[in-house]
Amino acid sequence: DAMVIQNPRYQVTQFGKPVTLSCSQTLNHNVMYWYQQKSSQAPKLLFHYYDKDFNNEADTPDNFQSRRPNTSFCFLDIRSPGLGDAAMYLCATSRVAVRGNEQFFGPGTRLTVL
Amino acid sequence: DQQVKQNSPSLSVQEGRISILNCDYTNSMFDYFLWYKKYPAEGPTFLISISSIKDKNEDGRFTVFLNKSAKHLSLHIVPSQPGDSAVYFCAASAVGNQFYFGTGTSLTVIP
Repeated sequence: DAMVIQNPRYQVTQFGKPVTLSCSQTLNHNVMYWYQQKSSQAPKLLFHYYDKDFNNEADTPDNFQSRRPNTSFCFLDIRSPGLGDAAMYLCATSRVAVRGNEQFFGPGTRLTVL
Repeated sequence: DQQVKQNSPSLSVQEGRISILNCDYTNSMFDYFLWYKKYPAEGPTFLISISSIKDKNEDGRFTVFLNKSAKHLSLHIVPSQPGDSAVYFCAASAVGNQFYFGTGTSLTVIP
């Protein structure tokens, strides 16, 4: 089945220790998104890739970086995680970055920062 | 600043009855709206959408209503089934822009 896969599902890191979350897709979609969702809050878009073009949201902290080495994979790097970065991180894909195209979400990675 | 609001964190409905989930938005430029459904330990999945040129869209047991003047949309599920128990997210976008999500409403359908 075509899908969006996120690994790991649960990630524990220490304060200030870099961590990488990964996302892969078999849908061959050209757009990939990373969202941060904190408890009882709405998913918040961090950035997205339209093919190789990177689009950062204005309020995304510099601590968050992303890489997309190919169509199938996208990584979220948190350079120095703080306690406030503990959240669920959702990866999503869509065929094109315009309205009217639904996004397909992965199951998320829950990040804990100790 | 939350541009999409779901003011009811939770809702309980008896099986067979209608479930009505509400969503309000503040940005008058939003012209496309979606509802997502999320089960525990899974990512959100697309449920139904509506563009601003319509005021109603129906798909089986699910109907979304849009009231542009009130900046309000609602999702009706009828009849509600226990398998509908999940968190429902409303999302909205303007042309060429990202989707903004609400905080979600947890629906419990009681058998």
